[in-house]
Amino acid sequence: GNSVTQMEGPVTLSEEAFLTINCTYTATGYPSLFWYVQYPGEGLQLLLKATKADDKGSNKGFEATYRKETTSFHLEKGSVQVSDSAVYFCALRLGGNTGKLIFGQGTTLQVKP
Amino acid sequence: EAGVVQSPRYKIIEKKQPVAFWCNPISGHNTLYWYRQNLGQGPELLIRYENEEAVDDSQLPKDRFSAERLKGVDSTLKIQPAELGDSAVYLCASSLGDGRGNTEAFFGQGTRLTVV
Repeated sequence: GNSVTQMEGPVTLSEEAFLTINCTYTATGYPSLFWYVQYPGEGLQLLLKATKADDKGSNKGFEATYRKETTSFHLEKGSVQVSDSAVYFCALRLGGNTGKLIFGQGTTLQVKP
Repeated sequence: EAGVVQSPRYKIIEKKQPVAFWCNPISGHNTLYWYRQNLGQGPELLIRYENEEAVDDSQLPKDRFSAERLKGVDSTLKIQPAELGDSAVYLCASSLGDGRGNTEAFFGQGTRLTVV
């Protein structure tokens, strides 16, 4: 079936460290891929997306590349800040007219000053 | 512009009691989603509406859950009777909707339900 697997957290980093959160997916067809972020006490927000293979999504210094050959969409940031502390969700949306998002289990990032 | 508004933010009820959650989507968004997020998990779709029509309710446990979206705007999700396993965060989301589900979904802050 269709699914998303993320690396388990929590991920704890010092400020200005390099971040990678791994995400792999299983899907039929050609899904769109997303990263959502959930800051404490807030709702899910779209961070970035990619709709086809080799596309790179980027926002707020974060980026992720849609790798069809490895079915991956790893999230990276070169220098994290304390304000990046949040839960990050990788998700896919199947093609066609479902609109349904399938989420991974989430990865908690804690950035320490 | 106001985002997706949900109420209440928190709800604690005893098992076997009914509970209802309310969602007001972003103005003009014709697609509305209800997701359930269990602790430590990602959200899972319960139901999707296109205007007032439920176009995907395959994941909604219909024996105890019901939803409605009268007039294609606000929506209510109800559980009756609630069970301990229903404790979760219930998220509402909306999108403009291009008829193919390809537009960005905006999420509300959710309602955290605790069943005791």
